[in-house]
Amino acid sequence: GAVVSQHPSWVICKSGTSVKIECRSLDFQATTMFWYRQFPKQSLMLMATSNEGSKATYEQGVEKDKFLINHASLTLSTLTVTSAHPEDSSFYICSAREPGGEGSYEQYFGPGTRLTVT
Amino acid sequence: AQSVAQPEDQVNVAEGNPLTVKCTYSVSGNPYLFWYVQYPNRGLQFLLKYITGDNLVKGSYGFEAEFNKSQTSFHLKKPSALVSDSALYFCAVRDSPGGSYIPTFGRGTSLIVHP
Repeated sequence: GAVVSQHPSWVICKSGTSVKIECRSLDFQATTMFWYRQFPKQSLMLMATSNEGSKATYEQGVEKDKFLINHASLTLSTLTVTSAHPEDSSFYICSAREPGGEGSYEQYFGPGTRLTVT
Repeated sequence: AQSVAQPEDQVNVAEGNPLTVKCTYSVSGNPYLFWYVQYPNRGLQFLLKYITGDNLVKGSYGFEAEFNKSQTSFHLKKPSALVSDSALYFCAVRDSPGGSYIPTFGRGTSLIVHP
């Protein structure tokens, strides 16, 4: 099946610094990728939909200037948390839909990135 | 609009016993339904899906789910639970093409299988 990777798997950074998380589809081209945030023992919160070659679509309440998303190629999307604060500490998960457009079905998820801001 | 509910935060079952994790949904059209499993500090792994066809869907690791249109449910089941099945399970729903193509996830159900 389709494989999605994320890097890094965990990162610790100091408050005020920026952190970049990469999401790659390894064996398929993903025109659309999704970024989720998950708090402990809670469901996934969709942050934004990343479209290759265009601006990301952010969900209501997500600060687009704080969470910068770039979908540079058909296999890579990046999430940059700018000026990170302790409240940004969370588990960030990306996913990609299999090729086929809106008719495609399941999403394939990356392993997640644990961000801790000290 | 689409929504999904997982009414149980936690399900406890003894190893070897059958397990059920409940999921109900609401969509405008026809549902596309999914189950995912998440192990600690890991991403979600796809288990199974219902798009059309047989109401009983078989998936990975011996799991199956039954689509019940009249009850708008898609409960996840396994005949004999293993301790290694202990994880967080998410149900997700998408409305049929023409609606939102982004699935909505339930809040998750923690499955604990006791030895």
